[in-house]
Amino acid sequence: AQSVTQPDARVTVSEGASLQLRCKYSYSATPYLFWYVQYPRQGLQLLLKYYSGDPVVQGVNSFEAEFSKSNSSFHLQKASVHWSDSAVYFCALRANYNVLYFGSGTKLTVEP
Amino acid sequence: EAAVTQSPRSKVAVTGGKVTLSCHQTNNHDYMYWYRQDTGHGLRLIHYSYVADSTEKGDIPDGYKASRPSQENFSLILELASLSQTAVYFCASSVGTGVERLFFGHGTKLSVL
Repeated sequence: AQSVTQPDARVTVSEGASLQLRCKYSYSATPYLFWYVQYPRQGLQLLLKYYSGDPVVQGVNSFEAEFSKSNSSFHLQKASVHWSDSAVYFCALRANYNVLYFGSGTKLTVEP
Repeated sequence: EAAVTQSPRSKVAVTGGKVTLSCHQTNNHDYMYWYRQDTGHGLRLIHYSYVADSTEKGDIPDGYKASRPSQENFSLILELASLSQTAVYFCASSVGTGVERLFFGHGTKLSVL
């Protein structure tokens, strides 16, 4: 069975600081992995995706994520956060029949 | 930009009553999904569909029915609403050849009293 774990429910960082949001997955086949962001009172929006190749993938708004098969991880990173990055971030795994399974989310708060 | 529209935006229902949540997409996508969002659980898949007149069960289908009368429309039906079904419900669509990207609606906040 597949699963996605985001161990940090809440993360607080200062504006301008670097960021890492953690994601661990469990899946027996080749993982297709995604990060989505949910701004207040909105639906989720795709940040980036990983299918194969270079383990570091670039996304929108200078976000990037690094895939590690050995660690079963897909951590989201950003070098310098802005207050507008405050949102809930979801890691997701593609399983059978084009279905995405989501982690529980990490609420990011960026302090001025 | 692809569009997924959900209605209503919010609803208060009584326990034991019937609730229908509607979703309409103008993306010409084959796949449509209903997710439920609860605090601490992220999004959980209830039902999905990859073609009109056919629906599939997701991870938590109990207590829910789905209907896909056309490619554009996908409804979620709670025949006997319960307190535990209070949540935010999201509809999404995606192209048929792979989950390149899910397009989400704004969500429906359902409160069952």
